[in-house]
Amino acid sequence: EPEVTQTPSHQVTQMGQEVILRCVPISNHLYFYWYRQILGQKVEFLVSFYNNEISEKSEIFDDQFSVERPDGSNFTLKIRSTKLEDSAMYFCASSFPGQGNTGELFFGEGSRLTVL
Amino acid sequence: SQQGEEDPQALSIQEGENATMNCSYKTSINNLQWYRQNSGRGLVHLILIRSNEREKHSGRLRVTLDTSKKSSSLLITASRAADTASYFCATGRYNQGGKLIFGQGTELSVKP
Repeated sequence: EPEVTQTPSHQVTQMGQEVILRCVPISNHLYFYWYRQILGQKVEFLVSFYNNEISEKSEIFDDQFSVERPDGSNFTLKIRSTKLEDSAMYFCASSFPGQGNTGELFFGEGSRLTVL
Repeated sequence: SQQGEEDPQALSIQEGENATMNCSYKTSINNLQWYRQNSGRGLVHLILIRSNEREKHSGRLRVTLDTSKKSSSLLITASRAADTASYFCATGRYNQGGKLIFGQGTELSVKP
């Protein structure tokens, strides 16, 4: 069964460093997402990406964050200068557009980011 | 505003019992989805119910939606120890880039 894959599974970084989290969405999906989950808390929407541009983004997704689809398969999240509060599990997801462009999301297993 | 608030926050039952989780939301929606998350893992889609539907079934899962009360419930019948996980509701609206807004989740523990 096709799945969303994410790398790395865990990354430890120093505050102020740049981090890139990578995702390979399901091949025929057209919408790509990043969500994050701070330990023990709810899953928060960061950004959605469609047709090579950002479709929606949340207040969390400020200038420190950027997304890119550098080729036909990868989808990346870059955090330019990490802060302690960026420590969280980051989930990539993808979907095939459903009715009104909202439907079932397929999630990866997540990348745990620890900022020291 | 908060969207998709579940209750209870935690639920502990015996194997074989039914588990009911509730979700409330504040704004209008086009669909509501339920996801499951095993500890430390990704989220897995369980079921989607559209705003014009009142009830939906999938195996041991039954979801209801009451748009007048802005609430939904997820019933898991004949629970198993393997159902132990966190369950999240998530609301979707058309033409918002496919984004879903997740609730706080219910942590379900099913004891053998």
